[in-house]
Amino acid sequence: RKEVEQDPGPFNVPEGATVAFNCTYSNSASQSFFWYRQDCRKEPKLLMSVYSSGNEDGRFTAQLNRASQYISLLIRDSKLSDSATYLCVVTLYGNKLVFGAGTILRVKS
Amino acid sequence: NAGVTQTPKFQVLKTGQSMTLQCAQDMNHNSMYWYRQDPGMGLRLIYYSASEGTTDKGEVPNGYNVSRLNKREFSLRLESAAPSQTSVYFCASSELSGGLNEQFFGPGTRLTVL
Repeated sequence: RKEVEQDPGPFNVPEGATVAFNCTYSNSASQSFFWYRQDCRKEPKLLMSVYSSGNEDGRFTAQLNRASQYISLLIRDSKLSDSATYLCVVTLYGNKLVFGAGTILRVKS
Repeated sequence: NAGVTQTPKFQVLKTGQSMTLQCAQDMNHNSMYWYRQDPGMGLRLIYYSASEGTTDKGEVPNGYNVSRLNKREFSLRLESAAPSQTSVYFCASSELSGGLNEQFFGPGTRLTVL
């Protein structure tokens, strides 16, 4: 079983739509949680950290459910520029990150 | 600031050839990492260096060696390239701050082994 699992998609949505991605992780000792964004043929970049209390950054909302070992990302009012691959990432210990394979989002006009 | 730089951007090797991928960061970070990214598999950690003078194996270290030359530079060496090492290689650096370990990535090296 992969340590971090994501639906690969692609999710094809129209501009202005709300879309949600989910991610599950297998190790209950995981300590920190993140969403990274990766544009086509580019490097990953941190989108936001994820906290149990939930956190919001503009149109993006991230949620963590430790009991279910589940992380979500909600994007409201999708823009064409949101088209990318979204990577779910957890830290088991120290500085080592474990990446999911990513979910592809395509926003169409 | 350039952030994290990697050279070369592209490389084609024949089976058995060797090469070194270079990485440098100008953010004064202590930790540096090498990942490979293959389709459908996400990024996998090859080696990392928590601080200058230390290196440790990650998830997929076989066939690779690393050198933390100084605080800025962390190189990855393929001694005898194999087709299974065809991949995109990313270098990253980070500094733990307030519990957040944001890793900053270089632009990647696209390697093909024939």
